[in-house]
Amino acid sequence: DTEVTQTPKHLVMGMTNKKSLKCEQHMGHRAMYWYKQKAKKPPELMFVYSYEKLSINESVPSRFSPECPNSSLLNLHLHALQPEDSALYLCASSQDWSQPQHFGDGTRLSIL
Amino acid sequence: GNSVTQMEGPVTLSEEAFLTINCTYTATGYPSLFWYVQYPGEGLQLLLKATKADDKGSNKGFEATYRKETTSFHLEKGSVQVSDSAVYFCALSETGANSKLTFGKGITLSVRP
Repeated sequence: DTEVTQTPKHLVMGMTNKKSLKCEQHMGHRAMYWYKQKAKKPPELMFVYSYEKLSINESVPSRFSPECPNSSLLNLHLHALQPEDSALYLCASSQDWSQPQHFGDGTRLSIL
Repeated sequence: GNSVTQMEGPVTLSEEAFLTINCTYTATGYPSLFWYVQYPGEGLQLLLKATKADDKGSNKGFEATYRKETTSFHLEKGSVQVSDSAVYFCALSETGANSKLTFGKGITLSVRP
């Protein structure tokens, strides 16, 4: 069982839809991450929040909008996505920058 | 910049065979090293880690030793099981703020009964 919970597990949306991915952890971790993973590839970092502030944006298109409402929650708001955005979206957390990251099971996103 | 190189896959072994997955790295400082495992349909799980030279990480029968002189962190297991079938990622992280995980390409291991 993972200690980082992601919902939904699967999401199918059209290119004009707006949806959100959610991530929750109750380990007291202060760093949280969003990754995108394509099939048979390693995860690619998208965003990092540290102490609820956005620390890193890896030049992600604005159709992806992260939000960290509190230290336990991380959201990824999606709008006007493209078919190439179909992927597994992974959330991770760590105690701080120097500690190992713990991953959720991901949301498998399909864009029609 | 930092990089991680893993041996090419996939790897197919019979149950109880010995496993070695090679991993070498390039880093500017003194990174921490990790092996992550991804089972089908799941996220990544931390398998083991090492934070300084000559450290040995171990978990679930897997071992890896941080070799600074050869910049390597090879993963080994003496006797694999069917349940070890998964994708294995070697990764590094520099210490300090804004440090990121740098992943290798990953290797798929299939263990047949």
